[in-house]
Order: sequence, then C-alpha cells, then structure tokens
Amino acid sequence: GAVVSQHPSRVICKSGTSVKIECRSLDFQATTMFWYRQFPKQSLMLMATSNEGSKATYEQGVEKDKFLINHASLTLSTLTVTSAHPEDSSFYICSAPGTANTIYFGEGSWLTVV
Amino acid sequence: AQSVTQPDIHITVSEGASLELRCNYSYGATPYLFWYVQSPGQGLQLLLKYFSGDTLVQGIKGFEAEFKRSQSSFNLRKPSVHWSDAAEYFCAVMSMEYGNKLVFGAGTILRVKS
Repeated sequence: GAVVSQHPSRVICKSGTSVKIECRSLDFQATTMFWYRQFPKQSLMLMATSNEGSKATYEQGVEKDKFLINHASLTLSTLTVTSAHPEDSSFYICSAPGTANTIYFGEGSWLTVV
Repeated sequence: AQSVTQPDIHITVSEGASLELRCNYSYGATPYLFWYVQSPGQGLQLLLKYFSGDTLVQGIKGFEAEFKRSQSSFNLRKPSVHWSDAAEYFCAVMSMEYGNKLVFGAGTILRVKS
C-alpha cells in the first residue's frame, strides 16, 4: 500500500542552526502535502500546505520565513526549520492525500534544539 | 469555522471494561471523519475512517465508531479494553471544501488500570 516516509525520525541540533526534514511519498504522487506540529501534551496543529511547483500555504501564526517548505517534485516535500531555537523543539509530521480520500502520514520527526 | 471537539482530556477505564471516546465536529456539510491513535513517542496510526454509507464503522484492534449526523458526533467505542490500548486518541475531520486539510481534536488520553 501507499507509504509516506519521513526522515530523519529524530534530530538534535544546536540553537541557531537550520535543520531539514524530508517527507516522501513512496509509491504514489502527491501534489499536496501537509505539515503538522505537535508540542508536548498538545494536539497536532496544521502548519502549512505544501504545493508541488508553487508556494506553500501557511496557517495563521506560522512564520513562513522560519519554516521553509519546498515541494520540488511530486514525491518530495521538505520542511526546513531555520535558525532553530529551543522553543521549536517539537514533533513534526507530514501527510499526503492518496486515492479515495485516504490520508497517509509519515512516521514523524522529533526535533530537539539545544 | 471548522472545529473538532474532544471533551474528555483524560479517561481511565479498567481492563476489560467498555470504552467510549467522544468526538463532536462543527462543519457546514458532512465531512470525512477519522480516529487516530498515538502511543507515547510514536507517530499516528489510523484506527478507522468514515466517508459515507453505513454509519457504524469497524476499525482495527477491535475499535468501532458511529457517525450520528443529528448530533454531529463520531464517537469511538471498544467493548473490552486491553492494557495495550493505553495511548492518546485523536479524532480528526477533513472536508473537501477546506482543501483536504485534516483538523485534529485536542486528543483524549486513555489510561487502563488493571
């Protein structure tokens, strides 16, 4: 079946550096992918909609210059957290809609900024 | 605006007892409805989904959910809870009019006591 793969699953980075998270659809094409963030003990909040070949659409309150999204191909979307700070430490997860309105999620990425 | 409400933040049940987790949504039309489970430190696993048809949906791990249009509800049930069911459960809603975005409820943490 369709699978969405996310990498890395865990990453630790120093404050002020940037980190990239990849989201790949493995056996289907995804013109749209979604990026969510989940802070500890909270629900998943949609950050942005990644659109292949065009700019991402950001949800209110999400800094587009800090969370750079690139969707350069039909199977890959990347989220780059720029100038990361400890408050950016979170669980980031992507999803892609497949056929028949099925939503496939990646495994998620745990980001810790120290 | 679209919203999803899970009124119970925590629920504790005894092993072998029945379970019902509540979910209410606010949408203009009948959306697509999902229940996900998240174990500590893990990603999301889809339990079941409702798009149309029979309003009683069977999922994995012995879970079921019933869509009640009149109540705008999609409650998750399990007749006999196992200790391994302890996790956080998220109700999610998607509507085509909002571009296939999944909106999550706040989650319900299930504790199972032996």
